[in-house]
Amino acid sequence: AQTVTQSQPEMSVQEAETVTLSCTYDTSESDYYLFWYKQPPSRQMILVIRQEAYKQQNATENRFSVNFQKAAKSFSLKISDSQLGDAAMYFCAYRTFMEYGNKLVFGAGTILRVKS
Amino acid sequence: EAQVTQNPRYLITVTGKKLTVTCSQNMNHEYMSWYRQDPGLGLRQIYYSMNVEATDKGDVPEGYKVSRKEKRNFPLILESPSPNQTSLYFCASSLRTSTGTQYFGPGTRLLVL
Repeated sequence: AQTVTQSQPEMSVQEAETVTLSCTYDTSESDYYLFWYKQPPSRQMILVIRQEAYKQQNATENRFSVNFQKAAKSFSLKISDSQLGDAAMYFCAYRTFMEYGNKLVFGAGTILRVKS
Repeated sequence: EAQVTQNPRYLITVTGKKLTVTCSQNMNHEYMSWYRQDPGLGLRQIYYSMNVEATDKGDVPEGYKVSRKEKRNFPLILESPSPNQTSLYFCASSLRTSTGTQYFGPGTRLLVL
């Protein structure tokens, strides 16, 4: 079974600075998807970024980018130019590539605090 | 607007009193799923459905039931709730294809006394 580990329960960053959230996972599969979800105080789950394991290029969405290290099974999220609205819980998640495998396996989450 | 809706959003109940949390999506998605979120554990899958009349257990199914009689609806049933089912519940849906992005409902916060 796949597992996802987020080793940082909480992180803090100064507004306008850069922060990196860590995620490692364990799987025996060669093809899969990885995601970062943001959960603000409203509790809504918002997809931030996704990465297909067969793509070598790291995904980027505006100020959000990932560092995907397949051999190390590591998938960190970098937030540049942090804003107050980035304060939230962030979840790393794994999904198998197989057709029936829509289940997401989540890490425990990292609370990100942004200081003004 | 494409969305997943859940009702109720907040619920306080007592041990043993049957309850149903509804979930509905308007995107014609085949796949629907229920997760619960608990501190320090992230989200864990309770049940999922690949299509109408096709449901299966996830990682934490004990104490829950589901049904999928219509494509758009996937209710979660707690026949005899217990305090350890106090949690935040999310419904999610997606296309069945391997690239299907999951859409989440707004969540239902349940307190069982």
